[in-house]
Amino acid sequence: SQTIHQWPATLVQPVGSPLSLECTVEGTSNPNLYWYRQAAGRGLQLLFYSVGIGQISSEVPQNLSASRPQDRQFILSSKKLLLSDSGFYLCAWSVPTGSYTFGSGTRLTVV
Amino acid sequence: SQQGEEDPQALSIQEGENATMNCSYKTSINNLQWYRQNSGRGLVHLILIRSNEREKHSGRLRVTLDTSKKSSSLLITASRAADTASYFCATAPFRTGANNLFFGTGTRLTVIP
Repeated sequence: SQTIHQWPATLVQPVGSPLSLECTVEGTSNPNLYWYRQAAGRGLQLLFYSVGIGQISSEVPQNLSASRPQDRQFILSSKKLLLSDSGFYLCAWSVPTGSYTFGSGTRLTVV
Repeated sequence: SQQGEEDPQALSIQEGENATMNCSYKTSINNLQWYRQNSGRGLVHLILIRSNEREKHSGRLRVTLDTSKKSSSLLITASRAADTASYFCATAPFRTGANNLFFGTGTRLTVIP
């Protein structure tokens, strides 16, 4: 069966420090992969999506970047975190025109 | 914005009552999906309705879609305390080849035992 792993669950980082969040998918090949951010009490904002290895598209300009070094691995990074990067980050995968399966999320607090 | 908007933002009902949440969107879509999120957790897919469908059922869930009005509704019948969560609609715009979903801000449902 397909599963998605996202870690860490919580993270507290100082302003200006780097960030690396990792997401891996099992049980499927060539999935579409997504990173979303959710501000407190708000909806989800699509940050990045990928339809294949090395193929990254960004929906909004920001302080973050994403990479897909392997078919089922999606990484969200930042070289220098800002206070405004705090939020709940969710990774998800889907097949084309299908539903999404979300990871359990990472609560990032930048202090 | 491509995002859907849910209405109401918050809903509080007694256990056993029905809960209805509405979603409006702006663009032509391939499909519309409803998700549930327990506090501080990831989202769980509930139901997907395609643009050529008008109604879909899954257990106690009933979803309708009116593409002429660009709106959808989610009905939860015979609600239970365990249904307490936030519910989001998400639209897959017709043009998007990557099946990107755009989420609304959600309806916070509280079911009182």
